[in-house]
Amino acid sequence: AQSVTQLDSQVPVFEEAPVELRCNYSSSVSVYLFWYVQYPNQGLQLLLKYLSGSTLVKGINGFEAEFNKSQTSFHLRKPSVHISDTAEYFCAVRGPSGGYQKVTFGTGTKLQVIP
Amino acid sequence: GAGVSQSPSNKVTEKGKDVELRCDPISGHTALYWYRQSLGQGLEFLIYFQGNSAPDKSGLPSDRFSAERTGGSVSTLTIQRTQQEDSAVYLCASSLAQGLTDTQYFGPGTRLTVL
Repeated sequence: AQSVTQLDSQVPVFEEAPVELRCNYSSSVSVYLFWYVQYPNQGLQLLLKYLSGSTLVKGINGFEAEFNKSQTSFHLRKPSVHISDTAEYFCAVRGPSGGYQKVTFGTGTKLQVIP
Repeated sequence: GAGVSQSPSNKVTEKGKDVELRCDPISGHTALYWYRQSLGQGLEFLIYFQGNSAPDKSGLPSDRFSAERTGGSVSTLTIQRTQQEDSAVYLCASSLAQGLTDTQYFGPGTRLTVL
């Protein structure tokens, strides 16, 4: 079965500084990878997804992620964060377990942007 | 158009009582998912409905949990004889079920507190 590991539960960063949120997955076969954002008291919103093709994926709000098959990673990056980026970010994987219908989520990383 | 809606937004109940949580998916979405988000943990898959097929119930944690989807639209998640460990945010998502690249759209969740 596939699994997702988000190594950092909380990441504080100053406004306008760059940030990287780490995500590693485990699966022996092809998977599809996602990043979701959850703002306070709201549901999850899709930031970006990797399905195939270019390993650098650009999403909404200036975020991007790079798929690295050899390192089984899908880290999320933003070159300059804003206060409004304060939220919880979830990495997720869809793989063959459950016929590709189940999405396995990581435990989340809380990004706190400091003014 | 309207997104996924869930009701109630908050539910406080006493241990041993039954609760029903409702999810209204996006119109036309044939796939519907329930997840549980507990404090400090990721999203835990509970159950998946796809069209008229038998639901995938493999994520339900115990036989106190059940869900149904009437008319291929609205879904109700029922928890019988609630326990304190059932306290969590219950999230519903729907999708067009367009295959492996399908995108899920999440509702705002129902926060369940069992006293």
